[in-house]
This record gives sequence, C-alpha cells and structure tokens, in this order.
Amino acid sequence: DTGVSQDPRHKITKRGQNVTFRCDPISEHNRLYWYRQTLGQGPEFLTYFQNEAQLEKSRLLSDRFSAERPKGSFSTLEIQRTEQGDSAMYLCASSSRRLAGEAYEQFFGPGTRLTVL
Amino acid sequence: GEDVEQSLFLSVREGDSSVINCTYTDSSSTYLYWYKQEPGAGLQLLTYIFSNMDMKQDQRLTVLLNKKDKHLSLRIADTQTGDSAIYFCAESVHGSSNTGKLIFGQGTTLQVKP
Repeated sequence: DTGVSQDPRHKITKRGQNVTFRCDPISEHNRLYWYRQTLGQGPEFLTYFQNEAQLEKSRLLSDRFSAERPKGSFSTLEIQRTEQGDSAMYLCASSSRRLAGEAYEQFFGPGTRLTVL
Repeated sequence: GEDVEQSLFLSVREGDSSVINCTYTDSSSTYLYWYKQEPGAGLQLLTYIFSNMDMKQDQRLTVLLNKKDKHLSLRIADTQTGDSAIYFCAESVHGSSNTGKLIFGQGTTLQVKP
C-alpha cells in the first residue's frame, strides 16, 4: 500500500491551455474523490466516483472540467481553456469502508498545484 | 446548506494544551473529522467522532461534540512544535446518494512556540 499518488505535482500553464491531472488511488479502493483547495481555504468537493461511475458532480465543476475513471482504477481530471481562477491545489482521495457504520476514511494524495499565468 | 466554520489562527506555547473549535450546520451529518495538513504533505486524518457520541479520546487528542449547538472541538494535550500545522474540521454528507463527500472548514493554523 503506497498511498494515493498524483501526477504531476506541479503544473504551470498559460491561460487558455488544456491541462490533465492523474490520480492513482490505493489499490482496491472503489471510491475516489476530487477536491480543489485554494490558498487559505479548506478543500472543496468537485466530484465523486464509485468504481467507474461518476455519481456526483459539484456545481463548482463547470463544463470546462471533465473527470474520468476508466476501469475503476486511476482517474483523470481535465481542465479545458484554463483561466487564472483555476489556479489551485487539486486533491484526490480514495476510500473504502473502513470505519464503523457508514463512515469512510478518505486517504488523500499530495495534490497537484496548478498555476495559470 | 452545508457549512463548516473555524477560527483561523491559534498560537500556543510548547507544553500547553491547544483547543481548536469548529461549528457546522448540517444536522444530518453522521461523522465529523479532524484532518491535519503540513506544508507539502497531503491531508492526514487525525481522528473522527460519530454523531451520537459526546467525546472521544485518542492519546493526546480529545474531541468534544455538542450536537445541540453543532459545535465540535479538538484538544491537543502537551502541544509540541511538531503539532504546528493547519487543522481542518470536516463533516461527511451522505444524503440520498451516500457519497460520503467531505465538507471542510477553512482551517485553523496552529503555531506552537518553543
């Protein structure tokens, strides 16, 4: 168990370019989440996958954002036509039922820091 | 709607106790969590409490939950310089889709002075 990994760790891009981030969850974790964290704020939920199905998307996820999880393993988050307001840390988390009852312990990756110039 | 609020900054001396407070609005929250974030590192789950509990103790950490006032606190006993970090309160929201997504507060920066 090597934990949740994310790639790249840092991305600098020019406004209008497309970027894609990858998340590799802990193996056999069927639940995968994407969050966005801006400076001085807590993470905000973006989207959730159970296996390969995307079951919930936040209103924060505009139509320029798309996420996939083919085969229910790794996931990608793509941002098209990036804007300066997209600059943030993008966090991925995975979980399976580990805590008592309905609680799920989410294990977070180190994040991908996006800077849009 | 769902909202979690925390005080932004706390400074304590090494060896003192730290108390970080949080309020939340969703009365249907099942679990409440405390996460720690250190520079360059991912979020680390410290502890959690089920909503039908009042208190949970785990080594130096004590969580108190006042469900009536929707108030959660994290007490760190004998605070060490290594405890300096940002601490996030979070609630899990299940709803009809049972996603378990987390709603985070804005984080409390804990500064521990030697």
